[in-house]
Amino acid sequence: KAGVTQTPRYLIKTRGQQVTLSCSPISGHRSVSWYQQTPGQGLQFLFEYFSETQRNKGNFPGRFSGRQFSNSRSEMNVSTLELGDSALYLCASSFGGAPYEQYFGPGTRLTVT
Amino acid sequence: KNQVEQSPQSLIILEGKNCTLQCNYTVSPFSNLRWYKQDTGRGPVSLTIMTFSENTKSNGRYTATLDADTKQSSLHITASQLSDSASYICVVSEDRGTYKYIFGTGTRLKVLA
Repeated sequence: KAGVTQTPRYLIKTRGQQVTLSCSPISGHRSVSWYQQTPGQGLQFLFEYFSETQRNKGNFPGRFSGRQFSNSRSEMNVSTLELGDSALYLCASSFGGAPYEQYFGPGTRLTVT
Repeated sequence: KNQVEQSPQSLIILEGKNCTLQCNYTVSPFSNLRWYKQDTGRGPVSLTIMTFSENTKSNGRYTATLDADTKQSSLHITASQLSDSASYICVVSEDRGTYKYIFGTGTRLKVLA
């Protein structure tokens, strides 16, 4: 069974640009959650999508947005990039979100210069 | 404010020794608690998950305990191996109709030969 895949794995962008990250969940999983991980803050929850609807949202500014498609694949978009957005972005999929088991992808390392 | 605190922040032990990592939380209402292992540059991998009624769960050399009364959990690693070098993250799910995950900042473990 294929795991969670994320593309691209590495990305370098300039301040002010926008970026789109992609996540393909495990087959059959309908929930996709996105997280930002930085050395200082650890893992922080961005949002969760279930059946194309945003079900939960963390405390991030509106520059961070996402969507989910009918095949459960999800994208995350960050507009007007700031230096502080440099982080590892992880997505995780599950059958239904908490309390179900989450399976994480390898992450996308975003560097903003 | 719902929080998850882990200690110590980092730990160095010799191969073959045992160690215990701590997790204290103030999350309420509580749904479940997970321990994840995260290798550098990789996504977290689930080790154990415990609900309110469970106080011990094992996964090979990893044993997690939960005291729901004192809101404390521990992860005990027996006979450590070099491959145990990683970050260990405690995650508590909050149940308010829709679930949310609250992450600790992790304990970075280094096992030396």
